[in-house]
Amino acid sequence: TQLLEQSPQFLSIQEGENLTVYCNSSSVFSSLQWYRQEPGEGPVLLVTVVTGGEVKKLKRLTFQFGDARKDSSLHITAAQPGDTGLYLCAGLDSNYQLIWGAGTKLIIKP
Amino acid sequence: ETGVTQTPRHLVMGMTNKKSLKCEQHLGHNAMYWYKQSAKKPLELMFVYNFKEQTENNSVPSRFSPECPNSSHLFLHLHTLQPEDSALYLCASSPNLAGAVYNEQFFGPGTRLTVL
Repeated sequence: TQLLEQSPQFLSIQEGENLTVYCNSSSVFSSLQWYRQEPGEGPVLLVTVVTGGEVKKLKRLTFQFGDARKDSSLHITAAQPGDTGLYLCAGLDSNYQLIWGAGTKLIIKP
Repeated sequence: ETGVTQTPRHLVMGMTNKKSLKCEQHLGHNAMYWYKQSAKKPLELMFVYNFKEQTENNSVPSRFSPECPNSSHLFLHLHTLQPEDSALYLCASSPNLAGAVYNEQFFGPGTRLTVL
């Protein structure tokens, strides 16, 4: 069974702080997607990383795909209350199925 | 309407009731999905449809019955549910059925289901 483990499960920090959340697996993925889900809404895609070692930046968010394409991280610089949400990672396996993590619930306090 | 819409947004039902969830996508996509989301658990893929044909049924109990009359509409018919079926049910669509590393899924807001 393929698993994507996300850590931490929950993170509450003050506005302006930096943070990193992780998405780890023992399986190799063709690509990995990060989604953000706000209360009362469905997940919305933030980024897709494809190449091992790839780094993508989206304003204050930096996404990295591990060299072996088994893990990924999301770093947020100077977090803002608008970053609050559930961050989900999903890996595309060799059968083109999306394998989902359980998510990191992030709260940014003003 | 744009994107993916779901109705109702909230549903409370007894174990003997029959109800249906509706999903509509306005994106011209060919693939549609039903997911179950429970707290602190990964999204559980329930059903997948591609060009109106069901391609995946991940061992979902028969008390959940999907219907896809066309590529834009997806239903989930519910009957004799159990309290453990209480969850957020999400509908999603994508341009094609996987096969592409950039295949993004677009989600609706979900139906919050409570089974009493």
